Amino acid sequence: DTGVSQDPRHKITKRGQNVTFRCDPISEHNRLYWYRQTLGQGPEFLTYFQNEAQLEKSRLLSDRFSAERPKGSFSTLEIQRTEQGDSAMYLCASSLSSGEQFFGPGTRLTVL
Amino acid sequence: RKEVEQDPGPFNVPEGATVAFNCTYSNSASQSFFWYRQDCRKEPKLLMSVYSSGNEDGRFTAQLNRASQYISLLIRDSKLSDSATYLCVVGKAGTASKLTFGTGTRLQVTL
Repeated sequence: DTGVSQDPRHKITKRGQNVTFRCDPISEHNRLYWYRQTLGQGPEFLTYFQNEAQLEKSRLLSDRFSAERPKGSFSTLEIQRTEQGDSAMYLCASSLSSGEQFFGPGTRLTVL
Repeated sequence: RKEVEQDPGPFNVPEGATVAFNCTYSNSASQSFFWYRQDCRKEPKLLMSVYSSGNEDGRFTAQLNRASQYISLLIRDSKLSDSATYLCVVGKAGTASKLTFGTGTRLQVTL
């Protein structure tokens, strides 16, 4: 499968724990995006990378959230000290510089 | 006010019906416009881009009115397989940019 992959697909954690999600983009896609989607809402932009550079961050991305793309390929999104309000689907997408964004299947986070 | 507003529905239509979805956006600097489709518990997938001249892809027609900041999607001859949530999406510049999604309009096509 050459699409965007995300791991894990589901994560259940207790409030206060740290979690990390991984996204592997489509090979040779230089842009990678993170979005968050809650029930009944459309995806909300969190951040995006061009190669290894993080070019934009949403105000939604509090200090507890950090994203990296160290070698310009896969990316990780870490949430520290999780809160119940962090429960959502975290979607990753990738694209070429001027191309369609392709989404991965998402990581569903549940914070108890 | 949300940047992209859509009627959440649901729209329940019989197979074969024509259904139209509308969307408005608030940022006049928006440069790119799309409709995405999202099936239940799946990721969004691009249905079609939307151009000022209007564009058609089979049973689907999309229109953009920049003056009114209004986007529409028309589905003709609805199929059961069209049942999904349709997301109106705008981008700042080009296709590969930060996308702003509406809440989506749920369509249920019935026999």
